[in-house]
Amino acid sequence: QQQVKQSPQSLIVQKGGISIINCAYENTAFDYFPWYQQFPGKGPALLIAIRPDVSEKKEGRFTISFNKSAKQFSLHIMDSQPGDSATYFCAPFRRGSYIPTFGRGTSLIVHP
Amino acid sequence: GAGVSQSPSNKVTEKGKDVELRCDPISGHTALYWYRQSLGQGLEFLIYFQGNSAPDKSGLPSDRFSAERTGGSVSTLTIQRTQQEDSAVYLCASTVQGGIYNEQFFGPGTRLTVL
Repeated sequence: QQQVKQSPQSLIVQKGGISIINCAYENTAFDYFPWYQQFPGKGPALLIAIRPDVSEKKEGRFTISFNKSAKQFSLHIMDSQPGDSATYFCAPFRRGSYIPTFGRGTSLIVHP
Repeated sequence: GAGVSQSPSNKVTEKGKDVELRCDPISGHTALYWYRQSLGQGLEFLIYFQGNSAPDKSGLPSDRFSAERTGGSVSTLTIQRTQQEDSAVYLCASTVQGGIYNEQFFGPGTRLTVL
């Protein structure tokens, strides 16, 4: 059973455009919603995270939007840059668990 | 400070051989995780350590896979009698302590190729 559905699998945008990646989940016990960014040949690194007591969190060009009733959260990258080209993973955490549930990843390519 | 390091960075082995992959976590991090990432796939959880104990081994795909952690620091993932389907990037991550809200710090991974 796939607890986390991440979409799209791949995304191509032009420089300056908006990139949007979605993560839908089934488990209402998820209580922490991070996004990780992975460049080729590197391990993933935490990009931004949100707790369910807020609906939106913004850090620079990166924003998480959280919709608790719809059980989904999304990553928005404003003014996308070629340096944002990477694979992005949502990795929600269930309360009481020690292990995040990683989505299958979204490969983002930003054309100059 | 130093991040998570893994060695070797690349390993090519023949089917049936045993391999050992090493992870050096960030000093002071009590929790350590192993994941497997196949080409174009997400991260598959393998095992979680808290200190030297492994409270969750549920992700190990078969009894050919084992891991240990010593001194609350270095961890070794061992794959016996390797198969071609074991080819993947093996990632290690550490956190200050296990559980929610704790950022996972990943190493660069070991790329394993089984011929």
